[in-house]
Amino acid sequence: DAMVIQNPRYQVTQFGKPVTLSCSQTLNHNVMYWYQQKSSQAPKLLFHYYDKDFNNEADTPDNFQSRRPNTSFCFLDIRSPGLGDAAMYLCATSREGTGANQPQHFGDGTRLSIL
Amino acid sequence: GQQLNQSPQSMFIQEGEDVSMNCTSSSIFNTWLWYKQDPGEGPVLLIALYKAGELTSNGRLTAQFGITRKDSFLNISASIPSDVGIYFCALTPGGYQKVTFGTGTKLQVIP
Repeated sequence: DAMVIQNPRYQVTQFGKPVTLSCSQTLNHNVMYWYQQKSSQAPKLLFHYYDKDFNNEADTPDNFQSRRPNTSFCFLDIRSPGLGDAAMYLCATSREGTGANQPQHFGDGTRLSIL
Repeated sequence: GQQLNQSPQSMFIQEGEDVSMNCTSSSIFNTWLWYKQDPGEGPVLLIALYKAGELTSNGRLTAQFGITRKDSFLNISASIPSDVGIYFCALTPGGYQKVTFGTGTKLQVIP
């Protein structure tokens, strides 16, 4: 059973039209991450939530925002998508604070296309 | 920033052959991770390594955390067609801290 669920799997939006991607998890992990992955490249971390604390990567554009209304859900908002934002967006989760290193678990991603 | 070099970039092998790929970093880290990503899907964790010198197996996969804590390798024995995909090494200082991914090794298996 999928434990990190991303919806939709494929999203098409128009240039400049705001879009929201969603992620939910059944693992009860306290940390959630958003990555951007372009074709033939490694995933690149955009930001993460440690519980309710938001942590932005220094090079993440202001165009990208995130919300985490509760433990299970996290959203990625792209305010004005440009052609360069077309990519796979991956959500991941991990548990922190158990005293052991906990690897990140990934969803299957949302592939975003910009028209 | 952290340099994480993964090689080879791509491999074509015959079904049944063994495969080896490796990663080196410019700094010392506490955790090495190996992920596999199939087309159109998210990365799936294969093996996690937490101690220098640690050798861990997962079925036909074996990975080792180098003694210097700056390198790791992943071996796949007796490859099969479903091994096709992109393999990423990744490392982290530990816990939830930022994961840095390698550039990936694209594996193609010829039946």
